Amino acid sequence: LAKTTQPISMDSYEGQEVNITCSHNNIATNDYITWYQQFPSQGPRFIIQGYKTKVTNEVASLFIPADRKSSTLSLPRVSLSDTAVYYCLVGDRYNAGNMLTFGGGTRLMVKP
Amino acid sequence: DAGVIQSPRHEVTEMGQEVTLRCKPISGHNSLFWYRQTMMRGLELLIYFNNNVPIDDSGMPEDRFSAKMPNASFSTLKIQPSEPRDSAVYFCASSPQGTNYGYTFGSGTRLTVV
Repeated sequence: LAKTTQPISMDSYEGQEVNITCSHNNIATNDYITWYQQFPSQGPRFIIQGYKTKVTNEVASLFIPADRKSSTLSLPRVSLSDTAVYYCLVGDRYNAGNMLTFGGGTRLMVKP
Repeated sequence: DAGVIQSPRHEVTEMGQEVTLRCKPISGHNSLFWYRQTMMRGLELLIYFNNNVPIDDSGMPEDRFSAKMPNASFSTLKIQPSEPRDSAVYFCASSPQGTNYGYTFGSGTRLTVV
């Protein structure tokens, strides 16, 4: 399974754009990149998933370079409510035997 | 859809007692996962079911832990006997297909063993 590395923590201010980068140097051909968000006392919540280039939804954008060895989650104009832990996961989307392991995540603190 | 439903939300039990955690996945999801989360170890995958069949239970810490999925709409995680080091938040998640298709997590069960 591809191992991921992401910063332990990040600070930002309201209204700023936040970019969280995840390294996954040994990503496999069939692997997708998925990001989750977890608030205290809640389960992780799916944010976005991508395979290559750029994916955008109502919550975030995901940028994946051509070599796919890293990815960047971009949160536009964060608010205090975006304070959470963000996890990057890599795994085969269609392989039922390819379980996903959550790393330590990135703890984002948004300040007023 | 009500999402993944876990019960109870909180459980306090004495060491040595049996504990059963319950999960109802999202209808139509054919993959179900049990995770445990602690400050020290983060989120750990305990076991994974696909179409009600346990696929890999290598994450189950020891024989005191067991999980079942008798049908597509219900799963249990049992700890017998419980120990203080089992105190954690236990999450259940389900996925529509495969394993990396966007999990939906339940709200978790906070277990405290005293």
